[in-house]
Amino acid sequence: DADVTQTPRNRITKTGKRIMLECSQTKGHDRMYWYRQDPGLGLRLIYYSFDVKDINKGEISDGYSVSRQAQAKFSLSLESAIPNQTALYFCATSDGKGAWYNEQFFGPGTRLTVL
Amino acid sequence: AQSVTQLDSQVPVFEEAPVELRCNYSSSVSVYLFWYVQYPNQGLQLLLKYLSGSTLVKGINGFEAEFNKSQTSFHLRKPSVHISDTAEYFCAAPSGAGGTSYGKLTFGQGTILTVHP
Repeated sequence: DADVTQTPRNRITKTGKRIMLECSQTKGHDRMYWYRQDPGLGLRLIYYSFDVKDINKGEISDGYSVSRQAQAKFSLSLESAIPNQTALYFCATSDGKGAWYNEQFFGPGTRLTVL
Repeated sequence: AQSVTQLDSQVPVFEEAPVELRCNYSSSVSVYLFWYVQYPNQGLQLLLKYLSGSTLVKGINGFEAEFNKSQTSFHLRKPSVHISDTAEYFCAAPSGAGGTSYGKLTFGQGTILTVHP
């Protein structure tokens, strides 16, 4: 079984709808991240969380919100989806113990299309 | 804060040819650099990382990268590529300065490597 899972893998929705993307991990990591990938722009950080009570905005948080329900679960919500939120979304985890530059482990991604 | 720039958006090569994917960084503090690979329809996985020590870093699948402080570069190389190396490659660096980066990464724009038979 995959260590970092994302659901759904694909989603098509309409402008104005509320969407939730879910991420679960079995790696026991305390740090979790949400990124979006757009062609030619690489990955950009939306939100990150270093433990259940710690949530921080990334570089492109406008229009998004998150919830850290447990150490293993980190959800990303689009309260009112718009077409320019069409992208590939990745969840990632890392182990906050020890070095701060520990490797990040990525889920398989969720492809979201907003019509 | 560190930033990274990948100089080529796409690199087509033939199988068994050598390849170099270029990455430049900008930083005024200690440098830590990473290369990640994204195979089609998959998430990213770590290819290699430079933290300190030897400037030549070896990674998985026969890839290596050389940290060059004078040229502020961290280019990725492979002497002979395979069809299975077709993927998108990302250079990355911590977003903050030294230990205050809190584990955040800044990614380059990505380079799509396509290996042709």
